[in-house]
Amino acid sequence: EVQLVQSGAEMKKPGESLRISCKASGYSFSDHWISWVRQLPGKGLEWMGRIDPSDSYSHNSPSFQGHVSISVDKSITTAFLQWSSLKASDTGMYFCALGTYDSGRLGFWGQGTQVTVS
Amino acid sequence: DIQMTQSPSSLSASVGDRVTITCRASQTIRTSLNWYQQKPGKPPKLLMYAASSLESGVPSRFSGSGSGTDFTLTINSLQPDDFATYYCQHNYITPYTFGQGTNLDI
Repeated sequence: EVQLVQSGAEMKKPGESLRISCKASGYSFSDHWISWVRQLPGKGLEWMGRIDPSDSYSHNSPSFQGHVSISVDKSITTAFLQWSSLKASDTGMYFCALGTYDSGRLGFWGQGTQVTVS
Repeated sequence: DIQMTQSPSSLSASVGDRVTITCRASQTIRTSLNWYQQKPGKPPKLLMYAASSLESGVPSRFSGSGSGTDFTLTINSLQPDDFATYYCQHNYITPYTFGQGTNLDI
């Protein structure tokens, strides 16, 4: 059974750094891209970027370029989303999602990680 | 970036109704269009992919159509479990943008 299990809720101050995680299981980790999706409070879904776990090639949406970084650790089949300097406007829910057939068809999702910056 | 515009933004319907949600892309995306359902406090769930293909396990009352720039999601005979927010998303080229969502309520 495919599972994406995300790390728990975080409460941070502006300017702090943060890394949240997405632990994958139930499939061959290197075979499928993982995307990150943001949902601000009461708002819609925003695709942030994706990573190919086979070679760690990542690609961010221009809207998020330079503000977040996406990485993986194949040894523990885990993807990460990282900020070096958080802003209050980063407060929201963050989902990881698995591209099942191609990188953009998001067939499996993590449960979400709530990030609060205040 | 390709912009995705959904209509309506909100929709009220009753159990048993047939509803249609539309999604328009700012440029052609062929059939690279997915639909998701999201309920409060939950992650999105993939319903349709490639514009008209039903994801495994999704009830057949859901259907999708369209190509190029105009797409529709139709739900036949609404069930209580269908009241949720629906998003379209293209996966033609990155960035994979979503529509703003359609809130379907009773």
